[in-house]
Amino acid sequence: QVQLQESGPGLVKPSQTLSLTCTVSGGSISDSGSYWSWIRQLPRKGLEWIGFISHTGYTFYNPSLKSRVGISADTSKSQFSLRLHSVTAADTAVYFCAKENGKTYFFENWGQGTQVTVSS
Amino acid sequence: SYVLTQPLSVSEAPGQTARISCGGDNLGSKSVHWYQQRPGQAPMLVVYDDSDRPSGITERFSGSKSGNTATLTIMRVEAGDEADYYCQVWDVTSDVVFGGGTKLTVL
Repeated sequence: QVQLQESGPGLVKPSQTLSLTCTVSGGSISDSGSYWSWIRQLPRKGLEWIGFISHTGYTFYNPSLKSRVGISADTSKSQFSLRLHSVTAADTAVYFCAKENGKTYFFENWGQGTQVTVSS
Repeated sequence: SYVLTQPLSVSEAPGQTARISCGGDNLGSKSVHWYQQRPGQAPMLVVYDDSDRPSGITERFSGSKSGNTATLTIMRVEAGDEADYYCQVWDVTSDVVFGGGTKLTVL
């Protein structure tokens, strides 16, 4: 069973860059057909998909965030990372990493989530 | 952008059957997935590809679809089923889309 764990700062200042890492165990981020995603949940609101990186390193982002987002992977550490630039209070959310099925695009395994607050 | 519409809340008594709907344009041509999110926890996949259940998910959970509406059905509702439920699809114009979520209250 694949397990995912998010890590990173819980507090980020406005205009700075939010950086989170997801560590994967019980599976490899290089497994053929695997997609690794970031999703966030805004306060008292629903879920918003941020983007994914595939096992080949291909990335794809939510168009509404594309100009500020970067997702990368370190296969040697079995980790993938999120960088969100120029953050504002509107980026305050719980951030989840997840394993995405690459055929019909559902999220079969999730990390527990990490709260990130944007505040000075 | 593509929109999935869910009721804000559904209530049902223990032992009864709860049904949560999810509507969207041309939903019949898309694969619908459902997640359960208990308070303070991550979402958990309970139904994928309209009606398939991941291993370990009780058969009390089932999914169906008719026309532009998908339905998550929870039979013999228990207190532990009280949670938020989200539907999700992939759309060629909007990529991954989640519904707004439905709060299931077990009376």
